[in-house]
Amino acid sequence: DGGITQSPKYLFRKEGQNVTLSCEQNLNHDAMYWYRQDPGQGLRLIYYSQIVNDFQKGDIAEGYSVSREKKESFPLTVTSAQKNPTAFYLCASSPGQGNSEAFFGQGTRLTVV
Amino acid sequence: GDSVTQMEGPVTLSEEAFLTINCTYTATGYPSLFWYVQYPGEGLQLLLKATKADDKGSNKGFEATYRKETTSFHLEKGSVQVSDSAVYFCALSSSSGYSTLTFGKGTMLLVSP
Repeated sequence: DGGITQSPKYLFRKEGQNVTLSCEQNLNHDAMYWYRQDPGQGLRLIYYSQIVNDFQKGDIAEGYSVSREKKESFPLTVTSAQKNPTAFYLCASSPGQGNSEAFFGQGTRLTVV
Repeated sequence: GDSVTQMEGPVTLSEEAFLTINCTYTATGYPSLFWYVQYPGEGLQLLLKATKADDKGSNKGFEATYRKETTSFHLEKGSVQVSDSAVYFCALSSSSGYSTLTFGKGTMLLVSP
């Protein structure tokens, strides 16, 4: 099946630790995105990538880092600098220029303990 | 910058009632417009879209018409079901090249039998 796979579904992190969220797609999409979802705030863009080895900051990039070494993969690292990391994280992809219709993964719920 | 405003929820309806969820936007040029649906604990699924003025998107009984004169993209369904209970997000992507999606804050719909 074609789609986007996020793992893990649930993740617990101790304060001061870095954690990495996985996102893989087999849709052959050029563009990939990371969003953060908090109750009552909709989705906010963290980072996005339009091509391999290139990515741009979104609206709330502080405390996060990404890489795009392969077209299929766009992992997100939540660093210890992120002051309030507990949230639901969504990865998405889209075909690219001229077509921004995004397909989403099932999300990762990160909780700081 | 681009923005999307949705009516606040929750919207509470009885089964078979008529549904309207209002969405207005601010954007330059001619954006594409989308409605996404999110069921509890899951990612977002594309419900319908419209890419130019006066287009009507439709899917699973839901409809929305791209109204440039009122900068609106209201979601409607003639007869809701309990299974339609979810959070609905209105979104836009700007018309220039590669583009990210800008989301509204979401509207929760609760349908009772």
